[in-house]
Amino acid sequence: AQSVTQLGSHVSVSEGALVLLRCNYSSSVPPYLFWYVQYPNQGLQLLLKYTSAATLVKGINGFEAEFKKSETSFHLTKPSAHMSDAAEYFCAVTRPTGGGNKLTFGTGTQLKVEL
Amino acid sequence: EPEVTQTPSHQVTQMGQEVILRCVPISNHLYFYWYRQILGQKVEFLVSFYNNEISEKSEIFDDQFSVERPDGSNFTLKIRSTKLEDSAMYFCASRTGDAEQYFGPGTRLTVT
Repeated sequence: AQSVTQLGSHVSVSEGALVLLRCNYSSSVPPYLFWYVQYPNQGLQLLLKYTSAATLVKGINGFEAEFKKSETSFHLTKPSAHMSDAAEYFCAVTRPTGGGNKLTFGTGTQLKVEL
Repeated sequence: EPEVTQTPSHQVTQMGQEVILRCVPISNHLYFYWYRQILGQKVEFLVSFYNNEISEKSEIFDDQFSVERPDGSNFTLKIRSTKLEDSAMYFCASRTGDAEQYFGPGTRLTVT
């Protein structure tokens, strides 16, 4: 079974400050990992993905994440927060092969950006 | 850019009624999914569908739920007899052979 833990259901940063959203995963096989963003009353938009190539993954809107196998982590970062980054962020894991490759999501982190 | 579409955006129904949620996946995608998100909670997997059959389903996806790909473009989720606890946002997703799933905007189902 796979699972994802997102520490911190709410994170608040100042505009221009570093954004760090934490994600730890559990998987019996090498995982594929994703970060999705959800703006209010909208669907899920893919920010970035790790599919066993480079461990440092760059995504849209200046976000990046680093896959660390030894720490079973895939934390999301952005050097400088912008007001438009305020949203809910979900980390998700899947198996590379087999079955329907369902995504298992974490509980989400609500990011607030303050002036 | 191709996208997944879902209709309706909001559906209100009475307890015990049947509802059908519709999705049009991206045209060259082969794998299809339904997820749901109860208000304030995480996104949960319901079912995956490939080659005209269910490939995996969760415990949530009981006999009240069914999926169908009635033609070459639509992918539907039917709930036979809705319950209050079925109130949620339902997301359709699709993918090619790659891992990345593309999500639709969701259908908000309200059961009264």
